[in-house]
Amino acid sequence: GAGVSQSPSNKVTEKGKDVELRCDPISGHTALYWYRQSLGQGLEFLIYFQGNSAPDKSGLPSDRFSAERTGGSVSTLTIQRTQQEDSAVYLCASSLVAANNEQFFGPGTRLTVL
Amino acid sequence: QKEVEQNSGPLSVPEGAIASLNCTYSDRGSQSFFWYRQYSGKSPELIMSIYSNGDKEDGRFTAQLNKASQYVSLLIRDSQPSDSATYLCAVRPSGSARQLTFGSGTQLTVLP
Repeated sequence: GAGVSQSPSNKVTEKGKDVELRCDPISGHTALYWYRQSLGQGLEFLIYFQGNSAPDKSGLPSDRFSAERTGGSVSTLTIQRTQQEDSAVYLCASSLVAANNEQFFGPGTRLTVL
Repeated sequence: QKEVEQNSGPLSVPEGAIASLNCTYSDRGSQSFFWYRQYSGKSPELIMSIYSNGDKEDGRFTAQLNKASQYVSLLIRDSQPSDSATYLCAVRPSGSARQLTFGSGTQLTVLP
């Protein structure tokens, strides 16, 4: 079946602009996660959605970052007033809600802030 | 102290050899452990999950977990050049959090 999809695959923006990144999880997966991976850095957790529960936003680095998930499926990560340090690959993952919590990643969006 | 530690490598092994990748974690209550493979320029791909002490085998891959020592490893038998990638260890911490904590990865090169 189809895996996690993300769009766009690449995004170049100017400092100070807002960007929106999209994630479409695997069908039937109710849990959705956003991570980011910077050059030389490990994978860093950003936010987690589970069904209709309030999201876990504990990993968001600043209030310029926000995310929503509509209808329990597609999610959008928004970064306002982008800064150069926001340049990274933004990865979305999804999982079934089960004890094993196996997470499957999408191809990522490479964000470059000039 | 990092929560999940891996030797960054690079680790080089000859084709056909066994590659051994190691990971330690700090949260003693962690319950779920995963190995991801990440090719350059690609996203992480789940290759193994392990939840209880002992070994778990899947094809050429064996994951080993020792909760008392807070240690998890991945063995790759009959290594192939196509196994050359960065291997990420990931741990789900104790408590209600579902997100994974990742190590910084070990870069493996299999020499033909």
